[in-house]
Amino acid sequence: GALVYQYPRRTICKSGTSMRMECQAVGFQATSVAWYRQSPQKTFELIALSTVNSAIKYEQNFTQEKFPISHPNLSFSSMTVLNAYLEDRGLYLCGARGRGAETLYFGSGTRLTVL
Amino acid sequence: QQKVQQSPESLSVPEGGMASLNCTSSDRNFQYFWWYRQHSGEGPKALMSIFSDGDKKEGRFTAHLNKASLHVSLHIRDSQPSDSALYFCAASLTGNTGKLIFGLGTTLQVQP
Repeated sequence: GALVYQYPRRTICKSGTSMRMECQAVGFQATSVAWYRQSPQKTFELIALSTVNSAIKYEQNFTQEKFPISHPNLSFSSMTVLNAYLEDRGLYLCGARGRGAETLYFGSGTRLTVL
Repeated sequence: QQKVQQSPESLSVPEGGMASLNCTSSDRNFQYFWWYRQHSGEGPKALMSIFSDGDKKEGRFTAHLNKASLHVSLHIRDSQPSDSALYFCAASLTGNTGKLIFGLGTTLQVQP
């Protein structure tokens, strides 16, 4: 079956520092990867969508300068939160979808705490 | 305005009972729907998708879509304590895009 792994599961960083999180698709080729942030209130915000052979599309309020994303192959993606501050806290979720597939499968997320 | 609205905000049913969750899209362009379930400390897990009018059944779960009213529901029969979780409805413009718009969720508590 389709599995998505994210690591680390949780991380703590000091305000103004950066942290990188990774996402691995197992059992399928992740032609499309979406990065979301889930707030402490459980609302979802789409950060960006990466599709193979297309440019990464960032949503309003999110930029490549702040959240650079790499999607180098069909099983791996990473995202960095640069210069993190309190408002960047939350659960960062990676959702991956296979070629021609309909459903986005999520990992368990990376929980970011900023001190 | 929230494009995907869910109700109720929370729901409590006895073990073995039927749980019914509702979702409506306020944007007629969003006609493809998914239901996700999220247990505490985990990511959302896809339960089922529904793109056509009518019912779709998978085990104890039945989804119903009415495209005219943009209303989708999820019914869980014979609810189990392990069904206690946060349930999200998500909608999309197309059936194969990664861009999902999520509702605010319904918290389901199944009482043993």
